[in-house]
Parts: sequence; C-alpha cells; structure tokens
Amino acid sequence: AQSVAQPEDQVNVAEGNPLTVKCTYSVSGNPYLFWYVQYPNRGLQFLLKYITGDNLVKGSYGFEAEFNKSQTSFHLKKPSALVSDSALYFCAVRDMWSGAGSYQLTFGKGTKLSVIP
Amino acid sequence: EAGVTQFPSHSVIEKGQTVTLRCDPISGHDNLYWYRRVMGKEIKFLLHFVKESKQDESGMPNNRFLAERTGGTYSTLKVQPAELEDSGVYFCASSQVGALGNTIYFGEGSWLTVV
Repeated sequence: AQSVAQPEDQVNVAEGNPLTVKCTYSVSGNPYLFWYVQYPNRGLQFLLKYITGDNLVKGSYGFEAEFNKSQTSFHLKKPSALVSDSALYFCAVRDMWSGAGSYQLTFGKGTKLSVIP
Repeated sequence: EAGVTQFPSHSVIEKGQTVTLRCDPISGHDNLYWYRRVMGKEIKFLLHFVKESKQDESGMPNNRFLAERTGGTYSTLKVQPAELEDSGVYFCASSQVGALGNTIYFGEGSWLTVV
C-alpha cells in the first residue's frame, strides 16, 4: 500500500521569505511523486513531479522540490514567497509497480500555505 | 489547448435525488480518472478508465455510484440516490497512456452539496 504524509496542516510565512511545505511518502517500490496546488474554489493545478534523474525538480511559479530517497521525503520549496502563493498544497505518490491499481494517485491531506504581507 | 472540463461546477440537490456529473478530458488523453474530496478529508481515487474500459474501479464507495465513458471520450459519474455524505468536490483528471510517470491533469471540480 502507498501513503503520503503532510505533517503540517498550515504553514505561515512572511512575504519574501523562503517557504517549505513538507511531504513524506511510503511505497512498496520506487515512487513517482507529484505536487499540486489548489487555489480557493478552484481545481488542482499541477506544479511539478519527480520521476527519475536529478533529485531537485523545478516546476511552475518558481517552485522546486527535492527528492530524498533515504528520508522518503519530497519537500516543496520556494526561495521567496509571494502573497499570491497562498493556497492549499497537495503532495501525491504513485508506485512504479505496474500491477492493478498502480495508476492510482494517493494524496496527502493537504497543507494550507498562508503568505503574510 | 483546452484543459479538463467538468460540468456542473456546483450542484445542490436534496437527499434521495440523482445527480450526473460530466467530464471532458484533454483531447488525446485516453486515461480518465475520477477522484473526490469529501468533508475536508483526503482526495480519494474513485476509478480509472482507459478509453471506454474501466481499468480500476476499486475506489467506488458503493453501488449508488455509476461511471460511464461511452465511446471513450467524455465520462459521466452518476450518484443515485444521493446521500448527505456524498457532499464534496468531485475531480476528473486525464493523462496520456504509456508511462506511469505521465502527468495527470485535473479539472476545476464539480462541487456537490446534498441537503
């Protein structure tokens, strides 16, 4: 079974400061990892993903995430937060195992990011 | 290029009524998925189509939910009869077939309230 943990329900950061949204995962095999963002009353927007290769992945809107296999983590980061980054962020995992059900994405509970002006 | 389109965006129905949600995937995406998030809980997988075939429906909560994808294009998700606990947001998503690493793109969601 695969699972995702986002240990923080809410993260507050001042505008201009770096931000980190944490994510840890558990899969049987190797993971495919994704970050999505949901703005208020909107759908899920894809930010970035890790499939293979470089552990540091760059995505949309200046976000990046670092894959750490030993710590089973995939934290989302941004060097300088904007007020417009305030939203709900979801980490998701999919196991590379190709059996039935492998196309399922398992999501974390989400982390609400508030960037304070 | 149009993204994943869902209709209706919002729906308020009474307990016991029927609601049908529609999803149009991104053109050329043979994989189509339904997910939902109820009462502020996690986003949960419901089912997965490849073209018109149900590949995995292990997440469907009970037989009040019926998903179809006739012709392998758009999909519908019917809830009949609706219960209070069905309230939440229903997301449709699509991706290209091939690698499991292909990005899954989500729609804006259909927000369902059962009263």
